[in-house]
Amino acid sequence: LAKTTQPISMDSYEGQEVNITCSHNNIATNDYITWYQQFPSQGPRFIIQGYKTKVTNEVASLFIPADRKSSTLSLPRVSLSDTAVYYCLVGGSNTDKLIFGTGTRLQVFP
Amino acid sequence: SQTIHQWPATLVQPVGSPLSLECTVEGTSNPNLYWYRQAAGRGLQLLFYSVGIGQISSEVPQNLSASRPQDRQFILSSKKLLLSDSGFYLCAWISGVMNTEAFFGQGTRLTVV
Repeated sequence: LAKTTQPISMDSYEGQEVNITCSHNNIATNDYITWYQQFPSQGPRFIIQGYKTKVTNEVASLFIPADRKSSTLSLPRVSLSDTAVYYCLVGGSNTDKLIFGTGTRLQVFP
Repeated sequence: SQTIHQWPATLVQPVGSPLSLECTVEGTSNPNLYWYRQAAGRGLQLLFYSVGIGQISSEVPQNLSASRPQDRQFILSSKKLLLSDSGFYLCAWISGVMNTEAFFGQGTRLTVV
C-alpha cells in the first residue's frame, strides 16, 4: 500500500485558492489517487479522483505530475463551508484496503 | 441509485454490554464493505473489511468482530464493550476493485460509560 503524507493543517481566507499537496512516493502503477472531504460527525465524501495529469470537476481540480509521487488538490475561491478535513488516498486493483491517512484540517476564515 | 444505511446514529452503552451495529447497502451487488472508527479529532482507523459474504479481514486486534451474513449487510459486534471502544463508527462501500470512490454511512456515535 502506498503511504500518503499530508500537512496536518492549513489556514486560508474566503475567496482564496487553496492547494493541498499529498506525497505518495510508493504509488503503484495501478493506483488511483482519490481525495475526500469530511465534516465533523459525518462520513467522508468523495471529491475527486485521478490517475495522471489534471482532473477537474465542479468543486476541485487535481494535479498529478508525471512521476505520480505526489498530487495537489486545488480548491478555487474557498468559502467558510469548505472548512473540513481533507484526505488523500492511494489505491487500485491490487488491494482491497482503503487506508486513510491523518488528513489535512483546513480552516477558512472570513 | 446506491444508498448506504447505518444505524443507530447514537448509542450509549455500559461497559461490559454487547454491541451490534448494522450497515446495509442498496442498489449494488458484491460491494467491498468497510468498518472504520474515528476518535475525536483523529483520522479514520480501518477496523474490518470484506470482499464477499463470510469473508472478513481484520486490521487491528481488538475487542470487536465483524460479520457479513448477506452480500449487502455488514455487522460490527462486541461481546463486552470497553471504555476504549467509544468513538465514531463509519461503514463504507466501494463498487469495484479499480474504483476507490467510497461511499460512507452517516456514522454511529458510540459512548461507552
